[in-house]
Formats: sequence, structure tokens, C-alpha cells
Amino acid sequence: EAGVAQSPRYKIIEKRQSVAFWCNPISGHATLYWYQQILGQGPKLLIQFQNNGVVDDSQLPKDRFSAERLKGVDSTLKIQPAKLEDSAVYLCASSLRQGSTDTQYFGPGTRLTVL
Amino acid sequence: AQTVTQSQPEMSVQEAETVTLSCTYDTSESDYYLFWYKQPPSRQMILVIRQEAYKQQNATENRFSVNFQKAAKSFSLKISDSQLGDAAMYFCAYRISGSARQLTFGSGTQLTVLP
Repeated sequence: EAGVAQSPRYKIIEKRQSVAFWCNPISGHATLYWYQQILGQGPKLLIQFQNNGVVDDSQLPKDRFSAERLKGVDSTLKIQPAKLEDSAVYLCASSLRQGSTDTQYFGPGTRLTVL
Repeated sequence: AQTVTQSQPEMSVQEAETVTLSCTYDTSESDYYLFWYKQPPSRQMILVIRQEAYKQQNATENRFSVNFQKAAKSFSLKISDSQLGDAAMYFCAYRISGSARQLTFGSGTQLTVLP
């Protein structure tokens, strides 16, 4: 079974530029999560999708961050415009949502550096 | 709000020895899950072990075991016969019971394995 795929693996941009990240979850996984991991910290949830609907986006900075999951499969996370403090690793995870025992599987992440 | 605390930013262990990583959490929920994830330099989050709060028996996965103290809200990870490949950042995480719930992570413990 293929894992969660993310691209790109690395991205360097200047502040005020825009950037987009892509995630392809494990086939059949209904739930998709985007986490932000700042250096030296644990991941923090940005947004959670159930199929193509948003379940929780309470910690998403909506003035600059947006995300979508068209057709309930792939997802993109966009930052526009980027700030220095957005430098972090962006992790995508997916889970099957089968009862209460679903395990989240993570992708390799995208490391964003904002200069 | 739920919080997860890892008080050891760094730990080291000699190869073949045993090491214990600490984690405490705060919650008012009675039904939840606890996890230990491993994050090597590749950034891929890998699930190491999972504990259901309603189970009194401590979870074990090969060389990895936990000491779950529900009343004390403590969840430590013991790694026996440490191997060089165990070197990584280890994150403790919490999730409320129920499907498709977000993970709350601690700040991580960087484990170094000395040859």
C-alpha cells in the first residue's frame, strides 16, 4: 500500500510571495489533516477534512492560509502572502475513519523556508 | 483544552541499553488514546505504539513498551536493547476517542543512541 505523498519536499520563497503544497492521501482514506511543525515543536493541526468537507479549521490563519480537498482525494494548502514565521514543515496525514481506532499516517512533509 | 508535556528535550542511551522517555498530559476526558510517534531526520512521522485509555494493560510492540498511569496522567515509553536506528525525535500525542479526531502533540524528545 502506497503511503501519503507530498510535494514539493522543499520550498524556499521570499516573504510576501505565495506558495502551494500538495498532498495525496492513502487510497480510501476519508480523513485528511494538515499540520504545521515549527522547528523544535510538535506538529499543530491547521485543518482537517472529512471527504471534501472541512471538519476543523479553527487554528488555520484564514487571512493568509487556505486549503481545499476537491473530490475528497487530493488536497492543496496555500499560503498567500507568506510571512517569516510561516517557516516550518507542513505535514499531511490521512486516516481511514473506521470506528474510533483510526490511526493517522503521515507523509514526509514539505519544509518551507521564508526569507 | 488538552495539553501534552514532554519534559526531556534531549536524551541519550548507549547501544543495547534501555532508555525511558517521559510524557504527561492533561485532560478532563475519560476515553482517549495515547501515542508515541518517531520522527527521524527524513521527517516521516512513524507510529511506534498506541495505548487505549480504557485498557489497564500496558501496550507492547517488540522492543517498545509503555508505562501508562491513568490516574497520574503519565505515559512513558521504554525502549529496550536500543539500536542505532532508534535515534530520532520522539513525540507523545493524545487524541480524544471517536473517529477522525485531531492529535495533540508534545514538544518532542531528541534521542541519541551512542555506539
